[in-house]
Amino acid sequence: NAGVTQTPKFRVLKTGQSMTLLCAQDMNHEYMYWYRQDPGMGLRLIHYSVGEGTTAKGEVPDGYNVSRLKKQNFLLGLESAAPSQTSVYFCASTGGDRGLGQPQHFGDGTRLSIL
Amino acid sequence: EDQVTQSPEALRLQEGESSSLNCSYTVSGLRGLFWYRQDPGKGPEFLFTLYSAGEEKEKERLKATLTKKESFLHITAPKPEDSATYLCAVQAQGRGSTLGRLYFGRGTQLTVWP
Repeated sequence: NAGVTQTPKFRVLKTGQSMTLLCAQDMNHEYMYWYRQDPGMGLRLIHYSVGEGTTAKGEVPDGYNVSRLKKQNFLLGLESAAPSQTSVYFCASTGGDRGLGQPQHFGDGTRLSIL
Repeated sequence: EDQVTQSPEALRLQEGESSSLNCSYTVSGLRGLFWYRQDPGKGPEFLFTLYSAGEEKEKERLKATLTKKESFLHITAPKPEDSATYLCAVQAQGRGSTLGRLYFGRGTQLTVWP
């Protein structure tokens, strides 16, 4: 039962470097989400997707880009990493009617440090 | 403006000492309230969904209840393995860009010592 798988699990970057975080789900879910979790704060939505080929901005989208080329994959990109993007990043997915009333299922996160 | 507030931020219990965690929310039209458990270094793990005031759900030593303004997660006779951060999230009726979005509280860190 893989569920939601995130890679890599840990990464250290220097300011200005770029990288892509990968999220893969095997539950045939339409809806996928990227969150960041910082100490003392709740999970905050970065971007989300309601289906293959579609993406939308969440609460804190600046500095990030996303792509959903395949239904099972959702990529989060940092074009020019900044120390403020040091965080733990979680991917989630859900199904059902527009995801309404359905729980989101989470991966185990990517711990990203920007030096 | 916070839409979901959890209290207390941290709670320490002795094994067997029952208690409750609180999640208060302010949304215009609740579609669902979700409880998650998060262990260190892991992602949130889904526990319960509550849809309407008066609803209750149980799982082992956990019982979640819902009113029009808040939800409680009751922990009966907790064990050390119940130690974790418990997250509450709400989904509003919403429309457009907010449709389906979850709003999370900051969590309650529970420690149960033997």
